[in-house]
Parts: sequence; structure tokens; C-alpha cells
Amino acid sequence: AQKITQTQPGMFVQEKEAVTLDCTYDTSDPSYGLFWYKQPSSGEMIFLIYQGSYDQQNATEGRYSLNFQKARKSANLVISASQLGDSAMYFCAMREGPNFGNEKLTFGTGTRLTIIP
Amino acid sequence: ETGVTQTPRHLVMGMTNKKSLKCEQHLGHNAMYWYKQSAKKPLELMFVYNFKEQTENNSVPSRFSPECPNSSHLFLHLHTLQPEDSALYLCASSQAGDGAAKNIQYFGAGTRLSVL
Repeated sequence: AQKITQTQPGMFVQEKEAVTLDCTYDTSDPSYGLFWYKQPSSGEMIFLIYQGSYDQQNATEGRYSLNFQKARKSANLVISASQLGDSAMYFCAMREGPNFGNEKLTFGTGTRLTIIP
Repeated sequence: ETGVTQTPRHLVMGMTNKKSLKCEQHLGHNAMYWYKQSAKKPLELMFVYNFKEQTENNSVPSRFSPECPNSSHLFLHLHTLQPEDSALYLCASSQAGDGAAKNIQYFGAGTRLSVL
């Protein structure tokens, strides 16, 4: 079974609109971390936001927020007021277990977001 | 200076060549990683190094040989590669092992490898 599922291969969004990128995950470990990365055409993977499984509040970082629904095993990324520079591939990733030396990240297949002027 | 630097950015090599990819991190981290990103496939973890010791080898063929001389540098030595090894190779680093930390992995811009 896929550990990280991103069901939207591509999305087109009008500039200045909000956009939600979907991510569901599968783990039986009570301790885990969820990450979102952005990959522009240049290739670099840019860290955006992190959510720990025990965090009580949804994570926010500027225009990025993570809609964490633990019971549904969902960790959707919300980008408010989208900009042309947001056009990129977006990857959801998971670390299973606490950060005691288990550093493996499992990535989804990504969503290509295109912002339309 | 960026946090994680990879060189070269592009590499074209024949199947009989030997080449090396280099990664350097300036973040003071203790863990470094090699990932392979092929078209239409999820990022695949290849190797993990903690404090210069290899802690993960994700069933990678022996034609890929990693080397971590210190916690700031990581190499990937390549020899007798196959055309299917053409991909973007990404290096990352993190501060691993602290249960209270997030262990965010920071990536370089990658080396795009083409094997002819």
C-alpha cells in the first residue's frame, strides 16, 4: 500500500485564489511527522511546512497552512493568495517514528501546480 | 552561500565512465542523504549517513558507491552505469537523532545525470 498518496497530478489555479493540495498518508506508528516541499523547475526541493502527529494546532508558515485531520489521515496543504511564483511541483512526505535516528522520509508522487495570470 | 550545495549541476557520462557527485552542507547538520528522482516516480531514498556512518542502504546497486569523509561532505561515486540510471540525484542534510526536533531535511539543487 502507498504510504503517501497525492491524488492530484496537476492543478491550474487563477492568481490570487487560494489552493488546496491533497495528501493522505498511511501509518500505524503513533509518532510521525508530515512535510510539504516545493520543487520549482530548477530542481531544488524547498521545505515549506511541518506537522508533527502530536501537534495540537495546524501548522502555519506565512501563506502556507497545513489542514491536519488525524482521524482521516489527511494533511492537505493550503496556499492562500496564490502567486505566479507558486507554480511548481509540490510533494508531501512522511517520517514514521520519533526523531531518534529514524530519518527516512517517504514521498508522494507530487502535484504540479500552475498559477494562471 | 546556500545551505546544501551540489556539484556538478549537470553530468553526461557513458556507461564505461567513472564520475563522482559532490554534496556539501553548511548547516552544521549530522545526517546526510542521497535521493534519486526519476521521471514520474516518487523520490527514492538511496543512502543515509549519520555522523559519517552509513545507516541506510536502500538496496542500491553496487555501481553506486557513497562516501562520507566528514559530516559536511558527501560523495556519490558512479561507475559502469546503465541508461536507466539517468535521473536527478538530490542530496539532503538534517539534524537527526534529537527526539524533540523536527528533523527537517534540507535539499540541494541536485545533479541531473544522463547516461548514454
